[in-house]
Amino acid sequence: QKEVEQNSGPLSVPEGAIASLNCTYSDRVSQSFFWYRQYSGKSPELIMSIYSNGDKEDGRFTAQLNKASQYVSLLIRDSQPSDSATYLCAVNIFWSGQNFVFGPGTRLSVLP
Amino acid sequence: ETGVTQSPTHLIKTRGQQVTLRCSSQSGHNTVSWYQQALGQGPQFIFQYYREEENGRGNFPPRFSGLQFPNYSSELNVNALELDDSALYLCASSIEGDGNTIYFGEGSWLTVV
Repeated sequence: QKEVEQNSGPLSVPEGAIASLNCTYSDRVSQSFFWYRQYSGKSPELIMSIYSNGDKEDGRFTAQLNKASQYVSLLIRDSQPSDSATYLCAVNIFWSGQNFVFGPGTRLSVLP
Repeated sequence: ETGVTQSPTHLIKTRGQQVTLRCSSQSGHNTVSWYQQALGQGPQFIFQYYREEENGRGNFPPRFSGLQFPNYSSELNVNALELDDSALYLCASSIEGDGNTIYFGEGSWLTVV
């Protein structure tokens, strides 16, 4: 059973702080990793994708991947109240084409 | 806007009934997957269709079935509804060769009473 695990939260950070979200996955052959943001009652929207070890930065977001440790994280700098949402970590199981395995999500609350 | 539309947005069904959910993808998106997202959980992969054939399935019973049509639309059918089928059902499409870029619809909220 391929699994993706996340702390369910809620994770509360003050406005302007760095929010750190973590994710581990069980399938060593996984190649593609994603972070999605989901507002309550809405569908997931892609924030970041990362395919190789190291850091990838996009604006206030930085994704970090360590395949040896089977670990992927998302840092949100200068957190804003609008960042309050559930963050889903996902892995695409390549051999099945488009088959994303999602974690349970971490609920982030940014306090003004 | 992802160009993926789902209908209906909300519906209520009685246990034991059958339901059909619909999804319309962008032209050229010949791969479509369906996901079930129960409250407080991440989406779970139900199945994938590629060029009108099912070519991948998650851990869901046969009463979950689907169809994909040549006009890039698709359906998810669920028979013999159970209370635990209450969830948000998401359709996600992608173009051939780029399975990492998926476009979600807004989902269909199903409540089984």
